[in-house]
Amino acid sequence: SQQGEEDPQALSIQEGENATMNCSYKTSINNLQWYRQNSGRGLVHLILIRSNEREKHSGRLRVTLDTSKKSSSLLITASRAADTASYFCAPPPQGGKLIFGQGTELSVKP
Amino acid sequence: NAGVTQTPKFQVLKTGQSMTLQCAQDMNHEYMSWYRQDPGMGLRLIHYSVGAGITDQGEVPNGYNVSRSTTEDFPLRLLSAAPSQTSVYFCASSVEGGIHSPLHFGNGTRLTVT
Repeated sequence: SQQGEEDPQALSIQEGENATMNCSYKTSINNLQWYRQNSGRGLVHLILIRSNEREKHSGRLRVTLDTSKKSSSLLITASRAADTASYFCAPPPQGGKLIFGQGTELSVKP
Repeated sequence: NAGVTQTPKFQVLKTGQSMTLQCAQDMNHEYMSWYRQDPGMGLRLIHYSVGAGITDQGEVPNGYNVSRSTTEDFPLRLLSAAPSQTSVYFCASSVEGGIHSPLHFGNGTRLTVT
């Protein structure tokens, strides 16, 4: 089964700064999803980017996808303390199994 | 529309006890799954179901049983709890397993086995 590998494992920034997280995967995909997990809560879906899209925006989120490098990035602009969370990328499931990596733990300090 | 509901929120068991973690969704989703999350780690898939009457194993199925008799419910059974099963358990559902649509997660059951 394929899983995304997020990098870095942890990221600490000041409020107002931008945060960039990266995701790599192994096999060809037709889309990739990003999720956020606030402490003690279930994951929440953020955005889905398709293989024919190189970039997608949602509010302060910008996601890019480079299928030739098998990588994606999530940029959060003008970060806020409320953005403190873990972020996971998820390639499509294989054989019904949607597998998550360890995520990037983002800490935004006020 | 409650989404995915997990009960109980917290549970403490003694080694060897059995229990069932409940998961219900009201979105008519065919796909449901169970994950466990240990401190500082990502989610590991335990079992999943692509529809009523159909279940399959994930990455870490040992020690857990599931059944899917209705579309709405997907209970997870621990037959003989062990300290290694201390974890936070998340249930998720989606239209078709996250291929083109997102997973919707419950808020977890925090299980401690002593």
